[in-house]
Amino acid sequence: SQQGEEDPQALSIQEGENATMNCSYKTSINNLQWYRQNSGRGLVHLILIRSNEREKHSGRLRVTLDTSKKSSSLLITASRAADTASYFCATDANSGGGADGLTFGKGTHLIIQP
Amino acid sequence: NAGVTQTPKFQVLKTGQSMTLQCAQDMNHEYMSWYRQDPGMGLRLIHYSVGAGITDQGEVPNGYNVSRSTTEDFPLRLLSAAPSQTSVYFCASSYRTGYYGYTFGSGTRLTVV
Repeated sequence: SQQGEEDPQALSIQEGENATMNCSYKTSINNLQWYRQNSGRGLVHLILIRSNEREKHSGRLRVTLDTSKKSSSLLITASRAADTASYFCATDANSGGGADGLTFGKGTHLIIQP
Repeated sequence: NAGVTQTPKFQVLKTGQSMTLQCAQDMNHEYMSWYRQDPGMGLRLIHYSVGAGITDQGEVPNGYNVSRSTTEDFPLRLLSAAPSQTSVYFCASSYRTGYYGYTFGSGTRLTVV
């Protein structure tokens, strides 16, 4: 069953602008992760935020997590053409090595216009 | 290069045929899993393994078998291919779920005719 739902489904912005994607989920989580997928390629892990964290940064990426609203956002600052990809949020309900796997949303397709 | 290796990259099967999708990782990850990705559906978990000799079902296990005889390898078997199994299949591994992200392979694009 789909846990995360990304919003918007598609986003097109100009190079240099910031891109914000949102993710909502339904059940309690241990952590939430964001992945990038370039067309025809595998998924690449971007960032993991634990349920007790509210914000995390990695380079041009900023992720927030609001467990009370069961939502997360991914901000990409100063976008580049190379950021064109699909972005997925995935929730991990496992703690301490559990085995339920990740539950993915359907993704946001981001297009950066040169 | 360290990572997850999937073979083949592309495969066309006829309905009723069987085949094995290979997955190998060289990062000493205990956890390995298989996902399928269909248009508009995101990724769904097929089977997973928490270590050699241990496997279990995910969300969509019907029509697939797995085994884990070594830490490195986690093959996915299609027993009798059906058109509904046309999809892109991804193998993913993690050092420890709940603490680390997953490393994905580049995928196998399977078409069943």
